[in-house]
Amino acid sequence: TQLLEQSPQFLSIQEGENLTVYCNSSSVFSSLQWYRQEPGEGPVLLVTVVTGGEVKKLKRLTFQFGDARKDSSLHITAAQPGDTGLYLCAGARSQGGKLIFGQGTELSVKP
Amino acid sequence: GAVVSQHPSWVICKSGTSVKIECRSLDFQATTMFWYRQFPKQSLMLMATSNEGSKATYEQGVEKDKFLINHASLTLSTLTVTSAHPEDSSFYICSASWGLAQFFGPGTRLTVL
Repeated sequence: TQLLEQSPQFLSIQEGENLTVYCNSSSVFSSLQWYRQEPGEGPVLLVTVVTGGEVKKLKRLTFQFGDARKDSSLHITAAQPGDTGLYLCAGARSQGGKLIFGQGTELSVKP
Repeated sequence: GAVVSQHPSWVICKSGTSVKIECRSLDFQATTMFWYRQFPKQSLMLMATSNEGSKATYEQGVEKDKFLINHASLTLSTLTVTSAHPEDSSFYICSASWGLAQFFGPGTRLTVL
């Protein structure tokens, strides 16, 4: 049973387009983290959200945590080829506890 | 931010040998570290939670005698793949908790011939 459903799992778009990645669960998380991973490297933390309804922006990336802290979304505006990579959401039930990962979204942005 | 290192970054070994992978937190102390395995184009699969000074907690289906974990200090955890076989070939990644987040090492590519 996948506790954190991430969608879509694959996304191929043209440069300049917008996109949204979703992570949904029936469970409540104390925090949710988004990572970006490139081939052959470890995941790099993009953001941590902890408060229901919280919105965080990182340049062209907007992250939102659902009011009930069960879901989250990542929106990228005007995607660029440099955004290509594997995006992972991960939820924690407690601070410092193990993470529950979504399936990942493989994003390809073509010039 | 917190920095986690792994060594080696890649290793090739013969079937039947053992391989040790080190995970270090460079600028913070980590009482808990985590070991993951990742297959190409897939998400991370948690193998075990490494606790400083105590036994590791393994996820269901992970053989504790095959994947030995030692967390001898607050900055170092090691994963030893014992009697490695080709099916153990994978990308192994460690992470450490710092504050609200987990920070990941760069990963170790293990190839067993």
